[in-house]
Amino acid sequence: DAGVTQSPTHLIKTRGQQVTLRCSPISGHKSVSWYQQVLGQGPQFIFQYYEKEERGRGNFPDRFSARQFPNYSSELNVNALLLGDSALYLCASSAAGANVLTFGAGSRLTVL
Amino acid sequence: SQQGEEDPQALSIQEGENATMNCSYKTSINNLQWYRQNSGRGLVHLILIRSNEREKHSGRLRVTLDTSKKSSSLLITASRAADTASYFCATGDTTGTASKLTFGTGTRLQVTL
Repeated sequence: DAGVTQSPTHLIKTRGQQVTLRCSPISGHKSVSWYQQVLGQGPQFIFQYYEKEERGRGNFPDRFSARQFPNYSSELNVNALLLGDSALYLCASSAAGANVLTFGAGSRLTVL
Repeated sequence: SQQGEEDPQALSIQEGENATMNCSYKTSINNLQWYRQNSGRGLVHLILIRSNEREKHSGRLRVTLDTSKKSSSLLITASRAADTASYFCATGDTTGTASKLTFGTGTRLQVTL
């Protein structure tokens, strides 16, 4: 079975642009979460979606948004990019009510 | 924000030695997990310990949890070069279908031959 897949793996944007990151969860997992990991720090929770509904939101500005599709895949959108948005964006999926997350390899965003 | 801190921030040992890393957290928890991350890639789940457990083993891994001190430790015995990675503790907050992990700052482990 394929694990959690994320695309793109790397991307470079300039300040003020917008970016969309994509994630496909493990088959059968209905929950998708997004985390931001700045270099040298631990991941920080951005969003969690379950059955297309937002179940949790971290302390991030409204420039960050996400959605989940009927096939449980998900997109993370970041508008008006800032230099500080440069980070590894990790997607994770889990079965309903599960404590353990399975992470994808991440999308590394560089904002110039 | 980060849940807490891990120490040491970096640890360098030789193959065959044991590695111990510690994690402190701030709030009450349902469970605590440890994850490994190789070279800035995705995280891999290692072990989960529930708040009513004090110690748990999985292969070469041993985790302890002291809820009175809000701390946990991860012991890797007989380390191998392949154990070189960053290790993160994460506290779990699961309520129904809502699930969130709060990660620590991580320990970078270097195992040399």
